[in-house]
Amino acid sequence: AQTVTQSQPEMSVQEAETVTLSCTYDTSENNYYLFWYKQPPSRQMILVIRQEAYKQQNATENRFSVNFQKAAKSFSLKISDSQLGDTAMYFCAFIIIQGAQKLVFGQGTRLTINP
Amino acid sequence: DAGITQSPRHKVTETGTPVTLRCHQTENHRYMYWYRQDPGHGLRLIHYSYGVKDTDKGEVSDGYSVSRSKTEDFLLTLESATSSQTSVYFCAISGFGGGIGTDTQYFGPGTRLTVL
Repeated sequence: AQTVTQSQPEMSVQEAETVTLSCTYDTSENNYYLFWYKQPPSRQMILVIRQEAYKQQNATENRFSVNFQKAAKSFSLKISDSQLGDTAMYFCAFIIIQGAQKLVFGQGTRLTINP
Repeated sequence: DAGITQSPRHKVTETGTPVTLRCHQTENHRYMYWYRQDPGHGLRLIHYSYGVKDTDKGEVSDGYSVSRSKTEDFLLTLESATSSQTSVYFCAISGFGGGIGTDTQYFGPGTRLTVL
């Protein structure tokens, strides 16, 4: 079975701090992509960052970066200089690269940025 | 903005009634998906389509059917709605073509469905 586990149901940090969200996944496949999606109170699912499993270099997008450890099947998200607008649910997900790409999601981490 | 709309955005219905949700895309993407979101479960795949009239089941397909008669529209039907189908439903698309972005899914705004 392919699964994604986010062990932190909720997190809270002060504005401008750095926060790391954890994610582990399980698959026997070798060719897959990993994602972090953000869901603010508006409910819209927004792609934050994407990582190809065959790449060793960790993906970065402005203040967002990942720590991808393929052997450990770990894919954490680091948010630097956190802002009030980062308050949201964050979902970790992955897809296997074959045919239709079916995303497998974790349960989510609710992140609150306090002023 | 990947050009995805969902209708209706909110719906309240009664148990036993049929319900159809529509997903519409404007950019000719090949793959379309329906997910449901429930507390504690993240998003779970209901059905997906890999082309016109080509569909397949996902993880939680019981009680749902889909149709895709043209590229831009993917319909999700609850033949006889039950209270357990109260949820937020998301449509997603992927398949921009070859290269970067082909395997990335972009989501519509969601439909909140309440079955009384």
